[in-house]
Amino acid sequence: AQKITQTQPGMFVQEKEAVTLDCTYDTSDPSYGLFWYKQPSSGEMIFLIYQGSYDQQNATEGRYSLNFQKARKSANLVISASQLGDSAMYFCAMRGVRDNFNKFYFGSGTKLNVKP
Amino acid sequence: NAGVTQTPKFQVLKTGQSMTLQCAQDMNHNSMYWYRQDPGMGLRLIYYSASEGTTDKGEVPNGYNVSRLNKREFSLRLESAAPSQTSVYFCASSGDRLDYGYTFGSGTRLTVV
Repeated sequence: AQKITQTQPGMFVQEKEAVTLDCTYDTSDPSYGLFWYKQPSSGEMIFLIYQGSYDQQNATEGRYSLNFQKARKSANLVISASQLGDSAMYFCAMRGVRDNFNKFYFGSGTKLNVKP
Repeated sequence: NAGVTQTPKFQVLKTGQSMTLQCAQDMNHNSMYWYRQDPGMGLRLIYYSASEGTTDKGEVPNGYNVSRLNKREFSLRLESAAPSQTSVYFCASSGDRLDYGYTFGSGTRLTVV
């Protein structure tokens, strides 16, 4: 079975600073994908970034980057130059090729508050 | 606009009433899902459908039924609503590639009184 752990229920960051949101995962699947989603207070779920287990480089999308450490089974989201609009819940998720490809496993989320 | 459309956006039910949440996607995705999200919590899978004509239980299926009407549509039915089913419900769909994440609907905020 797969499991996603987000150990930071809530975090604060000063505007314009960088912040790292932690995500660790447990899987025996040799091939898998890792995702981060943002949920602002308005409630919609927004896809941010994807990392494949066989990708050689860490994924980047604008101010978002994924610090992927395969041996440690961690996939931390780094947000550079935080903005007030980054205040939201952030969820880490994964899907495996072998272990029920059609199911995503979500972490419990981290609530990020950006202070002006 | 391509995406996942959920209706209704808000609903208030009395205990014991029934209702169906509708979901449709126009991205030709095979897989569709229903999740619930309780306040301050993550997403819990209710049911999913890997392809037209198939459905499977997720973590919290009790009290719900689903229908995969065709490739586009996946509905969730509450036969006899209970206050414990007060939640925000999300429909999602996904393609068949590993790097395809979920595309989520905008959610249905359901209150059972």
